Parts: sequence; C-alpha cells; structure tokens
Amino acid sequence: KAGVTQTPRYLIKTRGQQVTLSCSPISGHRSVSWYQQTPGQGLQFLFEYFSETQRNKGNFPGRFSGRQFSNSRSEMNVSTLELGDSALYLCASSDRGTGEGLSSYEQYFGPGTRLTVT
Amino acid sequence: DQQVKQNSPSLSVQEGRISILNCDYTNSMFDYFLWYKKYPAEGPTFLISISSIKDKNEDGRFTVFLNKSAKHLSLHIVPSQPGDSAVYFCAASDSQTGANNLFFGTGTRLTVIP
Repeated sequence: KAGVTQTPRYLIKTRGQQVTLSCSPISGHRSVSWYQQTPGQGLQFLFEYFSETQRNKGNFPGRFSGRQFSNSRSEMNVSTLELGDSALYLCASSDRGTGEGLSSYEQYFGPGTRLTVT
Repeated sequence: DQQVKQNSPSLSVQEGRISILNCDYTNSMFDYFLWYKKYPAEGPTFLISISSIKDKNEDGRFTVFLNKSAKHLSLHIVPSQPGDSAVYFCAASDSQTGANNLFFGTGTRLTVIP
C-alpha cells in the first residue's frame, strides 16, 4: 500500500497570506488527523476528520481550518498567516472508525509540509 | 499545558548498549501509549505501543514498560544500533473519549555512537 502523501513538501509565505495544505491518506483509511510540530512544543493536535466530518479539534485559533473529501483526502487551511505559524505540518491517517480496538489508534504519518512564514 | 513530557531532550549511547528513553504523563485517563521514531525530513514512524492493562510489551529489540501509579513509561532498546539514531516521541491517548487525537511529548534525540 502507498503511504500517506502530503503536498507541497515546502512552502514559503508572507504574513497575512493564506495557505492550503493537502494530505492523501493510506488507501482504506477514513480518519485523517493534522498536527503542528514546532521546536520545543513537540507535535500538537490540530483536528481530525472522519467521513468528511470534523470529529475532534485541538486548541488552535479559528484561522486553522480543514475539510475532508469523499475519497478521504483532506486539506488544511491557515488564513492570515503569522510568523508563529512557521512549522512542520504533519498529516496522519488511521483505519479507526468507531468502537474499534485500541490498535487502531496507531496513526501513520506523512512526511509533512514545512511552512515558513516571513 | 503539556500532558505528556519527555524531560531529556537528548541521549547518547554506545553501540551495543541499552538505550532507555523516558516519558511522564499527567492525565490519569490516558489508557493507550505509543512510541514513534522520527528521522529528519520524514514523518514519525510507529514503533511500539502498550495498553494500560499491561505493564510491558516487547517487540524484538524494543520493550516498553508502563508504570501507571507513577504515570511513567519507558522505552528500552537493546542492543542499540547506529540506525536507531533518531528523535523518539512518546504519545498517549484516552480511548474513552472516542477521540482519535494523540498527545505527544517534545521528543528525545537518541544518538548511538558506533
């Protein structure tokens, strides 16, 4: 099976702009989660989509949004970019639906999109 | 508020010796724990996990120990190999919430010296 893919891999934007990142999960996986990784903060959960619905959301401002399509591909959007949004954005997929075993918590990550805001 | 903590940002170990990476958590509702390994320019790769009903899980050279009363888990790598050099993240989840979000520590960079 192909792994999780993310595009683009690198992106440079200026403050105030908006950006859209894309993620294609492993075939058959319906859950897609997004994480932000910054030095000193580790990975922080942004949100999770399952069957085109946002199922969970982390503590990020409303400038961060996402969506999921019927083929499980997901996009993440950040509006009005700030310097502090510079980070590695990681997408992870899993086959966890509802009421499934704990092993389905294993998430498979893509290589990430490195966003630099200048 | 960091619910999962890895207090050692780095660790160096000689090849062939044991590597012990530590992780502490504060949320007593966490019941599933995972370790991920990350190489530069790649996403984290799942390594090993443990449910709160166990205190040990072993997979080849990797063993994870869980001490629920101390809210502490550790990853042992024996014997350590140069290819194990990477950043290791521990993560935790509360399965009762139905949420699929993992809480990650800040990572420990392991360097295995040949």
